[in-house]
Formats: sequence, structure tokens, C-alpha cells
Amino acid sequence: SQTIHQWPATLVQPVGSPLSLECTVEGTSNPNLYWYRQAAGRGLQLLFYSVGIGQISSEVPQNLSASRPQDRQFILSSKKLLLSDSGFYLCAFGRTEAFFGQGTRLTVV
Amino acid sequence: QKEVEQNSGPLSVPEGAIASLNCTYSDRGSQSFFWYRQYSGKSPELIMFIYSNGDKEDGRFTAQLNKASQYVSLLIRDSQPSDSATYLCAVKGGSSASKIIFGSGTRLSIRP
Repeated sequence: SQTIHQWPATLVQPVGSPLSLECTVEGTSNPNLYWYRQAAGRGLQLLFYSVGIGQISSEVPQNLSASRPQDRQFILSSKKLLLSDSGFYLCAFGRTEAFFGQGTRLTVV
Repeated sequence: QKEVEQNSGPLSVPEGAIASLNCTYSDRGSQSFFWYRQYSGKSPELIMFIYSNGDKEDGRFTAQLNKASQYVSLLIRDSQPSDSATYLCAVKGGSSASKIIFGSGTRLSIRP
């Protein structure tokens, strides 16, 4: 069966520190992969999506970046976190629909 | 204009009644339409998808699509307290075949 793993579940990071969130998918090949962010009480903002290894489409210009070093691995990074980067980060996969991981709740302090 | 628009609610519906959730989208080339349910503090879960004009039923849920009006809706029959959640409309395709854009969600509350 297809599964998605996203970690960590919660993270508290100081302003200016780096960030690396990882997402891996099992049970499928060549999925579309997505990173979303959800601010408190708000909808899902699409940050990045990828249709294949090394192919990244960026939706929002900011201090975040994404990489897809392997077919089923998607990484969200930042060199220096801002307070405004706090939120609920969600990775999703799928070819038609999107199925979500459990999310990472990031608090930048 | 937002790409996908939903009323934020809250929408309050008595238990056992029909809840009606609406969504409009701006990209006429959009191909696929989804409804997700999100409980507080949890990740969204897919409950319905629809690709063709008309109605699609799955248990107590019915999705309706009208591409000419760029309108998608979700009906929940026999609403239960466990249906209380935020419902997110999502749209895929159009300017980019793989991009999935979400609305801001409608908060639904089922009152006993």
C-alpha cells in the first residue's frame, strides 16, 4: 500500500537557524510531490511541487527551497528561518489526487 | 481574484440535516476537483473527487460540478456531529497540469 512519512511532528527553531524537513513515500513510483504551508486558522498555501527527480516548481518566492534528490523523497529547506515561517507544513503525494502526511508543526521563536 | 474561493463560515447545521458547501474557481482549464476534510490540528483527508460535470455520490456525500459556472459543491446528508470539521475545496490542472490549489476552507459545525 502507498504510505507517506513526514517528520518531525513538531519543531521549535530560533530565528535565523536553518531548516530541513523530509518527506518520503512508499508503495508508488514517480509520484507528484507537494509541499504546503498552513498558517493558524488559514487555508493551504502551495509552496513547491515536483513531477520528477530534480524538477521543482516554486509557487511562492521566499526564503524556502525544495529538492527532490530521489524519486520518493522531497525535502523542504531554509538557510535562515523568519518568524513568519511558523506554521503547519504538509507534504503530499499522488498522481491524480493528493494524499497528505501527518504534517510538521513549526514554531520559529 | 483568488484561484479557489470558499465561504469561511462557520456553517451551522442541525444534526440529521443536509449540509451544503460551495466552492468557485477561476481557471477555466481546471480538470480535477477535490473535497478534503480537516479536523483541528490534523492533516487533510480526501473525501471526494469529481472530474465530470454533474453529480457524484459516495455514501452520505454528493459532489456536484458545473464547469460552465466554475462551481463545485459538496452535500452531506444526515449530518452527524463527527462531520464537524473544516472542508477544503481543491482544484487541479489548468495553467499547470499537476498543480493543486486549495481554497481557504469552510468550517462546518453540526449542532445536536
